[in-house]
Amino acid sequence: DAGITQSPRHKVTETGTPVTLRCHQTENHRYMYWYRQDPGHGLRLIHYSYGVKDTDKGEVSDGYSVSRSKTEDFLLTLESATSSQTSVYFCAIRGYEQYFGPGTRLTVT
Amino acid sequence: DAKTTQPPSMDCAEGRAANLPCNHSTISGNEYVYWYRQIHSQGPQYIIHGLKNNETNEMASLIITEDRKSSTLILPHATLRDTAVYYCIVRVGELIFGQGTELSVKP
Repeated sequence: DAGITQSPRHKVTETGTPVTLRCHQTENHRYMYWYRQDPGHGLRLIHYSYGVKDTDKGEVSDGYSVSRSKTEDFLLTLESATSSQTSVYFCAIRGYEQYFGPGTRLTVT
Repeated sequence: DAKTTQPPSMDCAEGRAANLPCNHSTISGNEYVYWYRQIHSQGPQYIIHGLKNNETNEMASLIITEDRKSSTLILPHATLRDTAVYYCIVRVGELIFGQGTELSVKP
């Protein structure tokens, strides 16, 4: 997957608990992205980063925060998970093209 | 970003060419046409992109009309492994995904 890994790959958590998903790249690309994918909605952009400590909101950013302290890592945090955040989360990097990670399946009970 | 319109689903016989259409009538002059696909449960995969000329790579060909208001992705010899959702995206910045076309390649 073009040097992108996501961790964890699967997670089940309870409503109200904090959750952090990690995206790691070995490509040294400047741009990184977080998307979520739900049935009937396709992929929706949550947040993206255009450099260390430089981030911006996407179309569905409410309830999520991100951090990028190193080029290779982009973290997505759900401060207090809700059932509506049950989804598959994809990280992506942009070099010549945008390449996606394998996804993290998150279930909030 | 300009919006795209794709048929929700298509079938194709194995070994035949799959022609996936996309309408993007409001595309602006600096927006590229991108195609991605997503095989079940995997992350989207880049296929091809173009601005106004037709493009070909090892995976597919992209035909863009002269007025750039529509395009067609061609998989020349579809296989069962090409069964996926295909997304047509026009962009100059971040990728915005629509619903795509679910292509089913049948034996």
